[in-house]
Amino acid sequence: GESVGLHLPTLSVQEGDNSIINCAYSNSASDYFIWYKQESGKGPQFIIDIRSNMDKRQGQRVTVLLNKTVKHLSLQIAATQPGDSAVYFCAEIFSGYSTLTFGKGTMLLVSP
Amino acid sequence: GAVVSQHPSWVICKSGTSVKIECRSLDFQATTMFWYRQFPKQSLMLMATSNEGSKATYEQGVEKDKFLINHASLTLSTLTVTSAHPEDSSFYICSARPRTSHLGTQYFGPGTRLLVL
Repeated sequence: GESVGLHLPTLSVQEGDNSIINCAYSNSASDYFIWYKQESGKGPQFIIDIRSNMDKRQGQRVTVLLNKTVKHLSLQIAATQPGDSAVYFCAEIFSGYSTLTFGKGTMLLVSP
Repeated sequence: GAVVSQHPSWVICKSGTSVKIECRSLDFQATTMFWYRQFPKQSLMLMATSNEGSKATYEQGVEKDKFLINHASLTLSTLTVTSAHPEDSSFYICSARPRTSHLGTQYFGPGTRLLVL
């Protein structure tokens, strides 16, 4: 969902579930996308990236899906663990500008 | 892996004073460093892009005279918040792009929490 004011969208799951975090990006010309994980009080940590000429990329326990038609990005986390609890941000870049634009973020809460 | 450090990790200062935050790339050279600000429960907002040996490029709405950025070497950029006020209290995060890397590659520091009283 969309964040309003100071409220981050929150996804609550049970340990072992699969999690899907969604992101709508803004620039149809963006050609590179990254998912970051940010734990409380820390800087963002790279998870996985995808170029615009791909629609799916898999990593270890994570998969990113890109739908350029509707400017939508998703991050799937398999077998979610308590250590996955954090805020997840998508970021887009248009190589003509070389700066990252971050999405609003989603808080993932994993219960044991 | 590429490591970026920030110092200090947190700072409390009185209103009207200036605060300097350092960002260092520890094991690589960074021609470009970025400074972000993040308010609680919000996303990272780019403040400025800093290129070694040249003036920083500030995003719209960011006062360059208030947020002084210096990128004097390939491993160090500093952000000075001048005449800090309570509304400058925030989490400041830097990132660094290695000399030879894709434009989207940025390694982030751990952040500096600033509280202005």
